[in-house]
Amino acid sequence: EVQLVDSGGGLVQPGGSLRLSCAASGFTFSDHYMDWVRQAPGQGLEWVGRTRNKADSYTTEYAASVQGRFSISRDNSKNSMYLQMNSLTTEDTAVYYCARVTFHSKYEYMDVWGQGTTVTVSS
Amino acid sequence: DIQMTQSPSSLSASVGDRVAITCRASQSISRYLNWYQQKPGNAPKLLIYAVSSLQGGVPSRFSGSGSGTDFTLTISSLQPEDFGTYYCQQSYSTPRWTFGQGTKVEIK
Repeated sequence: EVQLVDSGGGLVQPGGSLRLSCAASGFTFSDHYMDWVRQAPGQGLEWVGRTRNKADSYTTEYAASVQGRFSISRDNSKNSMYLQMNSLTTEDTAVYYCARVTFHSKYEYMDVWGQGTTVTVSS
Repeated sequence: DIQMTQSPSSLSASVGDRVAITCRASQSISRYLNWYQQKPGNAPKLLIYAVSSLQGGVPSRFSGSGSGTDFTLTISSLQPEDFGTYYCQQSYSTPRWTFGQGTKVEIK
C-alpha cells in the first residue's frame, strides 16, 4: 500500500525549532518529488516547500514565508523526508502535511498525502 | 503569486442535486488546475488533475472543465459522502503552487 506517515509535531515556544518527519512506503521514494503543505487552524492550504527526486539532484525550493528558516532534507535509505523548522513564530502554527508529487505528461499534482502532524507555536 | 479565487465559499444542497464550484485564476494557467476534497480532520484527497482528468477511484459524478482563468468542478448528483471542503490548486507556477480559499459543501 502506498502510504505517507507524518510525525514530529508538538508545542514549541516562539523562536524555537522543530523537525518533522515523513515516512514513505509502497513506492520508490527516490523517484519522486516530495512537498510539504501546511494548514493553519480554520484556514486553507499553503505550499511550504519541495525536494526534487534523484534525477533532479534532490534540489529544494521554499515558499517566501519560510525561506531561510525552514530546510527540507531526505534520507532515501530510510524512505524519509524531513522538515527542519527554525525561528518559529506563531504564524507557523498549523497542521503540516507531506505529499507525493506525481507527473502525468507536463501536469503535476499531489496524489498521496500524509495524515498530517500538528505544530503549535506558543509561549 | 497567482491568486486563486473560489465561489461560492460555502453551499448547502440536497442529495441528488447538481453542484458546481468555480475557481478563477488571477492570470492564465492554461490547464494546470487540480481539485482536492478535504473532510474534517483528514488530509486533502486528489479528485481531478489537469482540469478534467479523474484520479483513480474517484466516482464519475465528479467532473472538471475550463481553461485559461476560469474553471468549474461539477458534482452531477450529490451524495451524502460528498460533504467537505473543496480546493482548487494551480500548478502553473511550479513549484510555488497556490490554492483557492476553499468551498465548504454541506448536505441539507
